[in-house]
Amino acid sequence: GAVVSQHPSWVICKSGTSVKIECRSLDFQATTMFWYRQFPKQSLMLMATSNEGSKATYEQGVEKDKFLINHASLTLSTLTVTSAHPEDSSFYICSARVPVTGWDQPQHFGDGTRLSIL
Amino acid sequence: GNSVTQMEGPVTLSEEAFLTINCTYTATGYPSLFWYVQYPGEGLQLLLKATKADDKGSNKGFEATYRKETTSFHLEKGSVQVSDSAVYFCALSDNQGGKLIFGQGTELSVKP
Repeated sequence: GAVVSQHPSWVICKSGTSVKIECRSLDFQATTMFWYRQFPKQSLMLMATSNEGSKATYEQGVEKDKFLINHASLTLSTLTVTSAHPEDSSFYICSARVPVTGWDQPQHFGDGTRLSIL
Repeated sequence: GNSVTQMEGPVTLSEEAFLTINCTYTATGYPSLFWYVQYPGEGLQLLLKATKADDKGSNKGFEATYRKETTSFHLEKGSVQVSDSAVYFCALSDNQGGKLIFGQGTELSVKP
């Protein structure tokens, strides 16, 4: 149980285009999802917390207009990298928590999306 | 603020060797502690967790004990396999919205 699916797994696009990444909870409803960014051989950096039906909460230093997050349903959150540039190339990972549980419950992670901007 | 510190990698071991990956944390209150594993090109998988002092989390031969007195959560395995080669992340949940704070990760390479 508690499966999170992320799509696409890999995307290459030209500089200036916008890219949308989807994160779905397949067998549970997730009121809260998280978006992380990971640089090669580094740890995960939390970008934002996505809350169903409300605005996302962004971490300090993350550009809200650059990384648009939409959490329109209990099973889907999307991250759109707008006007992407080579410096946005990275590995993006989403996670979700099973709701109505304590903070001691783990997050369940998607398999990540490798984004390469040419 | 809350933070997690892991021993630096990469760690290279021979098959069947004993593994220890050190993890210490700084936190207010009583965080929950986790170990996640990341295989190449994949997301993170929960390996084990502990939610209060003296709890021992265990899974697939790995174990870690929540030591409040030393603020540590070291990962151990008695006999590693080649298939254990991956990056291991120690993390804590800060009990504020369920955010996870990760250590920097430790790469483990097990040679046959």
